[in-house]
Amino acid sequence: KNQVEQSPQSLIILEGKNCTLQCNYTVSPFSNLRWYKQDTGRGPVSLTIMTFSENTKSNGRYTATLDADTKQSSLHITASQLSDSASYICVVSSRGYGGSQGNLIFGKGTKLSVKP
Amino acid sequence: DGGITQSPKYLFRKEGQNVTLSCEQNLNHDAMYWYRQDPGQGLRLIYYSQIVNDFQKGDIAEGYSVSREKKESFPLTVTSAQKNPTAFYLCASSNLHPTSGGAYEQYFGPGTRLTVT
Repeated sequence: KNQVEQSPQSLIILEGKNCTLQCNYTVSPFSNLRWYKQDTGRGPVSLTIMTFSENTKSNGRYTATLDADTKQSSLHITASQLSDSASYICVVSSRGYGGSQGNLIFGKGTKLSVKP
Repeated sequence: DGGITQSPKYLFRKEGQNVTLSCEQNLNHDAMYWYRQDPGQGLRLIYYSQIVNDFQKGDIAEGYSVSREKKESFPLTVTSAQKNPTAFYLCASSNLHPTSGGAYEQYFGPGTRLTVT
């Protein structure tokens, strides 16, 4: 069964600290992995998309890693800010017919709270 | 939120009433999607459409209906047959032409929170 598991479920850190969120998946065949940031009551916003051949991708203070062999990804946030408080969702896409993109499988998200 | 608008932001309805959620995009995207988000759960796909006048059921289509009469619009109707309609509804769109590596970027609207009592 295609699944995406995220940990921890929630996390509280102090402003200025770093943190790492984890994502494990069992999606096969794999196409790509995305990280989204979702503020409370808003729609998700894409942070990164990584395909099979990419093992790291950065977007400002956000750095995502992908290990396709162990089927694990992480999202590292550097020098956290109060505005980083949000849910972070890992989404894995399967590979569809003819190499096209298949279904998106969403994790339940990690709720990050950054405190002053 | 890009070029996707959803209205209204909050919607309240009595049990037994149908309600239609609006979704409009000006990104010239071919594909549009409706998701449902419940507390502590991942997004679940309700319906999607890749072309005008055609749409496909997602994982939880029962109790919902959609139409795609225009490329820019993909309204979702929550019918009285939907047993647990209270949720946060998200509309998304994407191009069918992938970026490098074969990934289709999906853009989300701001969402509509529906409460049925």
